[in-house]
Amino acid sequence: TQLLEQSPQFLSIQEGENLTVYCNSSSVFSSLQWYRQEPGEGPVLLVTVVTGGEVKKLKRLTFQFGDARKDSSLHITAAQTGDTGLYLCAGAGAGSYQLTFGKGTKLSVIP
Amino acid sequence: NAGVTQTPKFQVLKTGQSMTLQCAQDMNHNSMYWYRQDPGMGLRLIYYSASEGTTDKGEVPNGYNVSRLNKREFSLRLESAAPSQTSVYFCASSEGSRDEQFFGPGTRLTVL
Repeated sequence: TQLLEQSPQFLSIQEGENLTVYCNSSSVFSSLQWYRQEPGEGPVLLVTVVTGGEVKKLKRLTFQFGDARKDSSLHITAAQTGDTGLYLCAGAGAGSYQLTFGKGTKLSVIP
Repeated sequence: NAGVTQTPKFQVLKTGQSMTLQCAQDMNHNSMYWYRQDPGMGLRLIYYSASEGTTDKGEVPNGYNVSRLNKREFSLRLESAAPSQTSVYFCASSEGSRDEQFFGPGTRLTVL
């Protein structure tokens, strides 16, 4: 069983601050996806990273895939209240027909 | 396009009752999934269907059955509901088994 550990589990910050959330595993993943889930809704894909060392930017969000493809990070610059939500990482393992989801990081951005 | 639709949105059952959660997607996706989401547990895969005509167990299949009725529809059945099945249930679909998953809005189920 491939496990994805996300940290921190909860994060509460002031608007304008920077933050980083982490997604770690002892397993290698062929790709890793980041989703955001708002209260009362299903998760929505933010980005997919495929290559070890890859960095992708989505406006104020920066995603990085570790060189060994075992970990990933999400950095948010100058957080806004609209960033509030549950951030989930999900990995696709070699030979697996399904994604493995982490338990998520619940982010609250306070005005 | 509606994407992934789920019915019902809310349901309250008594222990021992049965019900079927419906899911449909209009994106012509091959793969479909059922997850449950509980506080502190993340998304846990119940069953999935990699393609029309196939279904496989996920991480937590006990107490559930599924039917891939056609390419569009994937239903989840609780034969005899238990309080431990109180949860939010999400259906999702994807083009291939490791591609981006598109989620429905969820069904909030309470079993008394």
